[in-house]
Amino acid sequence: QKEVEQDPGPLSVPEGAIVSLNCTYSNSAFQYFMWYRQYSRKGPELLMYTYSSGNKEDGRFTAQVDKSSKYISLFIRDSQPSDSATYLCAMRNNNDMRFGAGTRLTVKP
Amino acid sequence: GAGVSQSPRYKVAKRGQDVALRCDPISGHVSLFWYQQALGQGPEFLTYFQNEAQLDKSGLPSDRFFAERPEGSVSTLKIQRTQQEDSAVYLCASSLGGAANTGELFFGEGSRLTVL
Repeated sequence: QKEVEQDPGPLSVPEGAIVSLNCTYSNSAFQYFMWYRQYSRKGPELLMYTYSSGNKEDGRFTAQVDKSSKYISLFIRDSQPSDSATYLCAMRNNNDMRFGAGTRLTVKP
Repeated sequence: GAGVSQSPRYKVAKRGQDVALRCDPISGHVSLFWYQQALGQGPEFLTYFQNEAQLDKSGLPSDRFFAERPEGSVSTLKIQRTQQEDSAVYLCASSLGGAANTGELFFGEGSRLTVL
């Protein structure tokens, strides 16, 4: 079993839809939880960064962490075609940072 | 420069050749990471440097892989006697703080290696 599990999709939604992306993990030592967005042939870029359980909102994006269930989510409201990318969850404990496989999202106009 | 710079962006090697991939991190960043990203997969950890010290190399897949950061700035990932399974994008990332820091990792655009 991988330390971080993420459904690779692909996921295709119409413009304006709410998107839900999820990851589960097995290592309870992870303390920091992140979502990265990666466009084709580009490096990952940080979208959201959370430490504790609960919700964190930034514009159309909401990150949710449930440490008791070892489950994290990213919600995208009012999705736009420009949101089409691969979304990677990541988890960190000091210099040990692990990524999920990434979910490929397409938002159709 | 303003971001993490990697070169070459694309490298084609014949099986058995040695390759060297370069990473210029953001100036002043203490931590430097190398990741390997296969097609359709997430980045897999290779190695970590804090300044010039290689503190973790547990992710290097074999002794054909070697990384260095001799002056605590630029880093080179070297792959000897390349094999087809080495074909992947090699990502470099840097972070401002040291091992226990919680800061953001800034990624380069990667070096895409294809071994024929």
